[in-house]
Amino acid sequence: GESVGLHLPTLSVQEGDNSIINCAYSNSASDYFIWYKQESGKGPQFIIDIRSNMDKRQGQRVTVLLNKTVKHLSLQIAATQPGDSAVYFCAERVDNQGGKLIFGQGTELSVKP
Amino acid sequence: SQTIHQWPATLVQPVGSPLSLECTVEGTSNPNLYWYRQAAGRGLQLLFYSVGIGQISSEVPQNLSASRPQDRQFILSSKKLLLSDSGFYLCAYTTGPGAEAFFGQGTRLTVV
Repeated sequence: GESVGLHLPTLSVQEGDNSIINCAYSNSASDYFIWYKQESGKGPQFIIDIRSNMDKRQGQRVTVLLNKTVKHLSLQIAATQPGDSAVYFCAERVDNQGGKLIFGQGTELSVKP
Repeated sequence: SQTIHQWPATLVQPVGSPLSLECTVEGTSNPNLYWYRQAAGRGLQLLFYSVGIGQISSEVPQNLSASRPQDRQFILSSKKLLLSDSGFYLCAYTTGPGAEAFFGQGTRLTVV
């Protein structure tokens, strides 16, 4: 069935370093891949997305890479800050199925000052 | 501007009692609406989604049901709660294909 999973459940980085969070997916029919940030007790917040026909997209301090050959997605955060500490989820969206999002398990990012 | 409201924020209910969680969206018309459940330390599991009034798609068999009585209102219900229904419930919406999904702040449900 459809699934999106993450390689690592936790990631600890030093403030100022770059962070890389990885994700594997299984549904080749997904239209978009999205990264969400979730702080404790809150709903997920959109970070960045990438269409399935792209391989890289950059935002402010974040870059998403998509490798369709190996069905792998990654989120790179430059100059990680304490405020980046949260759980990060990758998700895939299938637009011909009501735009539903299928989420992975999540990676908890901890930034050490 | 568009906003999404979800309530209550926390809820403690006894086993066997009914449930009604409400979600409303403002500032847009005909949104796609979603209910997700999140277990502690886990990802979000899609429960239901709706592309229009009265149109509900169920993703997993469960003790819950959803209804969309109005364009911007989405309700999650149960006739009799089970202990396993405990979790963090999130409502979300999108405004169309390719659009970003916005989430409510969630309801923490504890069934005792």
